[in-house]
Amino acid sequence: GAVVSQHPSWVICKSGTSVKIECRSLDFQATTMFWYRQFPKQSLMLMATSNEGSKATYEQGVEKDKFLINHASLTLSTLTVTSAHPEDSSFYICSVPWGQSSTDTQYFGPGTRLTVL
Amino acid sequence: QKEVEQDPGPLSVPEGAIVSLNCTYSNSAFQYFMWYRQYSRKGPELLMYTYSSGNKEDGRFTAQVDKSSKYISLFIRDSQPSDSATYLCATATGGGNKLTFGTGTQLKVEL
Repeated sequence: GAVVSQHPSWVICKSGTSVKIECRSLDFQATTMFWYRQFPKQSLMLMATSNEGSKATYEQGVEKDKFLINHASLTLSTLTVTSAHPEDSSFYICSVPWGQSSTDTQYFGPGTRLTVL
Repeated sequence: QKEVEQDPGPLSVPEGAIVSLNCTYSNSAFQYFMWYRQYSRKGPELLMYTYSSGNKEDGRFTAQVDKSSKYISLFIRDSQPSDSATYLCATATGGGNKLTFGTGTQLKVEL
């Protein structure tokens, strides 16, 4: 399967600042990556689909101007949380689709814990 | 009604027990079924992947899919304390990439 890394693994920031999270596919070129958010004791919620060379597709209710996604290359996607507030504190996880049809399964990164003070 | 329903637990079993984890789903278009294991503060790890109905076995893990009743199961034999984690079922139609997750079942295997 695909190997996915994320950086940083944990970040603490002040309210109003912006935070950038990187997601890298280490052994697989990914034209698509996914970004999820997970609150404590809850399941993963898809935020957006990151597309290499084009705009990201956001799920309903996710503010695209607040969560900026850039799929810079076939191995790197970044999520920037702009003007972060305490309610944005969450566990952010990216994934890479992998399989014979490239749509069947997803491999996840280790996640980034964001704490906004 | 959620598209994928899963009992959140927690489920506590003694070491060596057989564990049964289950999910139900409502969308008959789902064709792909997965089980992920997630340790605390870590990303989900793919355990089992099944296409359509049937069984799939991998070591101590067996995944079952019954599309007629829209029911998916994961069995863990000879459970170990290291199996203590949250188990998430996930489904996909196959063509759209998007995964729909259950809420996850928290499992604790005690010595």
